[in-house]
Amino acid sequence: QQPVQSPQAVILREGEDAVINCSSSKALYSVHWYRQKHGEAPVFLMILLKGGEQKGHEKISASFNEKKQQSSLYLTASQLSYSGTYFCGTEGAGGTSYGKLTFGQGTILTVHP
Amino acid sequence: EAQVTQNPRYLITVTGKKLTVTCSQNMNHEYMSWYRQDPGLGLRQIYYSMNVEVTDKGDVPEGYKVSRKEKRNFPLILESPSPNQTSLYFCASRTQGAGNTIYFGEGSWLTVV
Repeated sequence: QQPVQSPQAVILREGEDAVINCSSSKALYSVHWYRQKHGEAPVFLMILLKGGEQKGHEKISASFNEKKQQSSLYLTASQLSYSGTYFCGTEGAGGTSYGKLTFGQGTILTVHP
Repeated sequence: EAQVTQNPRYLITVTGKKLTVTCSQNMNHEYMSWYRQDPGLGLRQIYYSMNVEVTDKGDVPEGYKVSRKEKRNFPLILESPSPNQTSLYFCASRTQGAGNTIYFGEGSWLTVV
């Protein structure tokens, strides 16, 4: 079952911040975040493992709330290069979903000058 | 260089003509997977393989077949392609077990007319 991302689309001006959310209906072991430019392969951003840790990658960071089965991606002081589609991928915590990575429908982020 | 290689990258074919999209990885990964990407639906898993001779259905397996005879190769077979299989396809691989980064191929644009 696909995780649900929100919002579906975001439009920003350079320097503005954005938050993208990812929510699952099942217990999670990990959440992966990827960014994709149109027609290209998704590019890995970060993985968050259960335990609620927050990770950072330059001005992009993420959190994982294991109890709520939710993750959020934070983009601060956005740059033009941040434009693209952001996907979260989730792995179940046990049973048949363990090790299986399922992606959300994506969030389209557009940054204008 | 670590990579996942797909071929062909672009293909236009006719309904009913069998085709195979090849996928090869050079990272000795146990886990390999195929995804299709359609507008608004994100990345949906077609089939995945935990290891040689071990394959399982993903979320949208209808109309597709796979095989895993060697660790490095995981071809996707469309026995009788139909127009609703027109899509962008990605092969991916990673080390077995949850919480590991997944590596994507560059994608294969397939059009069935």
